[in-house]
Amino acid sequence: QKEVEQDPGPLSVPEGAIVSLNCTYSNSAFQYFMWYRQYSRKGPELLMYTYSSGNKEDGRFTAQVDKSSKYISLFIRDSQPSDSATYLCAMKRTGGFKTIFGAGTRLFVKA
Amino acid sequence: EAEVAQSPRYKITEKSQAVAFWCDPISGHATLYWYRQILGQGPELLVQFQDESVVDDSQLPKDRFSAERLKGVDSTLKIQPAELGDSAMYLCASSPWTSGRVAGELFFGEGSRLTVL
Repeated sequence: QKEVEQDPGPLSVPEGAIVSLNCTYSNSAFQYFMWYRQYSRKGPELLMYTYSSGNKEDGRFTAQVDKSSKYISLFIRDSQPSDSATYLCAMKRTGGFKTIFGAGTRLFVKA
Repeated sequence: EAEVAQSPRYKITEKSQAVAFWCDPISGHATLYWYRQILGQGPELLVQFQDESVVDDSQLPKDRFSAERLKGVDSTLKIQPAELGDSAMYLCASSPWTSGRVAGELFFGEGSRLTVL
């Protein structure tokens, strides 16, 4: 079993829809939870991060972490065609430990 | 805005040949990573450098892969001989010792896409 599980999709939604992306994990030592966005043929870029549990909002994006359930989510409100990309969840322990990535969910937002 | 530079962007080679990828991290970033991303999967760490020292190469197939960061700045990842299963995107990332946004935020380059025929 992988440490981080993520449904690869693809997920197709109409423009303006609310998108929910999710990951589950098995290692309770993870403290940093991140979402990276990767456009086709590009490297990933950090979109959101959360330390420990709770919610974090940044514009149209909201990240949620539920450590009791080992479950994290990314919500995108008023989705736009420019949001079409692969969204990778990522996690790491405190200290110098490596970042572990999920498989990524491909999102398509149709105009 | 400072970026991680990688070359070549694309490489096609035949199996058993040698290939090399180069990475120049963001200036001042002490930590450098090489990740491999197979199509449809997330990036997997191959090797992590802190300055010129390797701190994690547990997932690097050392019989065919090698990586170096001699002066603690740019880095080279080599594969010899290449195998069909090595076809993937090779991503270089760097991070500062401390980050203003998150400890260990990774700044990725655009990657080097390898196709082994």
